[in-house]
Amino acid sequence: DQQVKQNSPSLSVQEGRISILNCDYTNSMFDYFLWYKKYPAEGPTFLISISSIKDKNEDGRFTVFLNKSAKHLSLHIVPSQPGDSAVYFCAASADDKIIFGKGTRLHILP
Amino acid sequence: EAQVTQNPRYLITVTGKKLTVTCSQNMNHEYMSWYRQDPGLGLRQIYYSMNVEVTDKGDVPEGYKVSRKEKRNFPLILESPSPNQTSLYFCASSPGTPGLEQYFGPGTRLTVT
Repeated sequence: DQQVKQNSPSLSVQEGRISILNCDYTNSMFDYFLWYKKYPAEGPTFLISISSIKDKNEDGRFTVFLNKSAKHLSLHIVPSQPGDSAVYFCAASADDKIIFGKGTRLHILP
Repeated sequence: EAQVTQNPRYLITVTGKKLTVTCSQNMNHEYMSWYRQDPGLGLRQIYYSMNVEVTDKGDVPEGYKVSRKEKRNFPLILESPSPNQTSLYFCASSPGTPGLEQYFGPGTRLTVT
C-alpha cells in the first residue's frame, strides 16, 4: 500500500518554462512534506519542505503547495533550468518515520 | 565540511558472507537513517535512530541490523546477505526528526551473488 505516490515517472519541460511535479498521499497523520532532488551517482539533496499547517512555501525558484483536503502536494520550479534535470522525490513524515515516493525524472529540454 | 560518509562505496559479495557498511556524520546530528533505493520502488527506509542506543525499524528492516553506540556512527549490518539485498544504500542524518532536512551520504552499491 503506497502511502506516498508520484504518478508521473517522468516529465519533460522546455527550459525557461514552469515545471510542476505532483505527489499524492493517503495518511492524514503526516505532519511534514519534503522534496529531495537526486543526480545520478550522488545522494539525494534536500530542496524544500512544508509543514502540514501551511499551504505554501517558497524558496527562490521553488514553491511547494499543499492541499490537505485533496491530500496532494506539488512542487513548482520557475523558471526551469538545465541543472534542474534530475530525479525528484516527494517524502512525507510522521513521528520518527519518513516515506518516500518512487520519484519523477525531470528532463529540461533546451 | 559538513558531510555524511559511507564505506565502502561499492561492494560485491557472495550469499551468506556477513558484511558491514559504515556511516559517519560530522554534524552532531541526533537522527540517522538507512535507506535502500531500487528501480521502480524509490527510497525505502530500513532502520533509523533517534539518538545513541535508540534504534527502530523502518519499512523494510528484514535481513538488516544496525547499532548506534556513538552519535556520529550508524553502521548497517547484513548478517547473511541474499541476492534480494542487492541494491543502492544511502545513509542520512538530520538534526531532529525526519521532517527536518536530511543530509545524505553518497551511497553504497551492493551486489550479492
